[in-house]
Amino acid sequence: EPEVTQTPSHQVTQMGQEVILRCVPISNHLYFYWYRQILGQKVEFLVSFYNNEISEKSEIFDDQFSVERPDGSNFTLKIRSTKLEDSAMYFCASTERDYEQYFGPGTRLTVT
Amino acid sequence: QKEVEQNSGPLSVPEGAIASLNCTYSDRGSQSFFWYRQYSGKSPELIMSIYSNGDKEDGRFTAQLNKASQYVSLLIRDSQPSDSATYLCAAHTGGFKTIFGAGTRLFVKA
Repeated sequence: EPEVTQTPSHQVTQMGQEVILRCVPISNHLYFYWYRQILGQKVEFLVSFYNNEISEKSEIFDDQFSVERPDGSNFTLKIRSTKLEDSAMYFCASTERDYEQYFGPGTRLTVT
Repeated sequence: QKEVEQNSGPLSVPEGAIASLNCTYSDRGSQSFFWYRQYSGKSPELIMSIYSNGDKEDGRFTAQLNKASQYVSLLIRDSQPSDSATYLCAAHTGGFKTIFGAGTRLFVKA
């Protein structure tokens, strides 16, 4: 069964450093999403992406964040200058239509 | 601010019983609703989707939607210990945004 994959599973970085989180969505899916979940808190929408452009973004997704689909398979989230409060699980999700989203296993980002 | 509200629980039910999970949403423009299950340390796993008023059944799971009351529920019949997890209600608010509730923790006692 096809699934969303994410790499790395765990990323440790120092405050102020740039990180890139990578996702490979399910191959025939057209809509892509990034979410984050701070430990013990709710899943928070960051951004949605369709047709090679951002469809919608939340207030969390400020200028420090960017997304890219550099090729036909990968979907990346870049955080330019990480802060302590960026420590969280980051989930990528994809969907064939703009409805039922399937989540990847997540990347745990730890900012020290 | 568009919100999805859930009782955080924990909800504890004995094995074999029916677990009832509830959710309300604030955005009347929401059209699509989802239930996800999340085990500790894992990613959300899609269980059910519901788009129109009424009931939708899939195996042991039944989702119910009442748009007039802005209310979504999930019933789990014949609950098993393996159903113990956090259940997330989500509303697709139109555009390309999905809002999640904080989740209800369910414990099924053997």
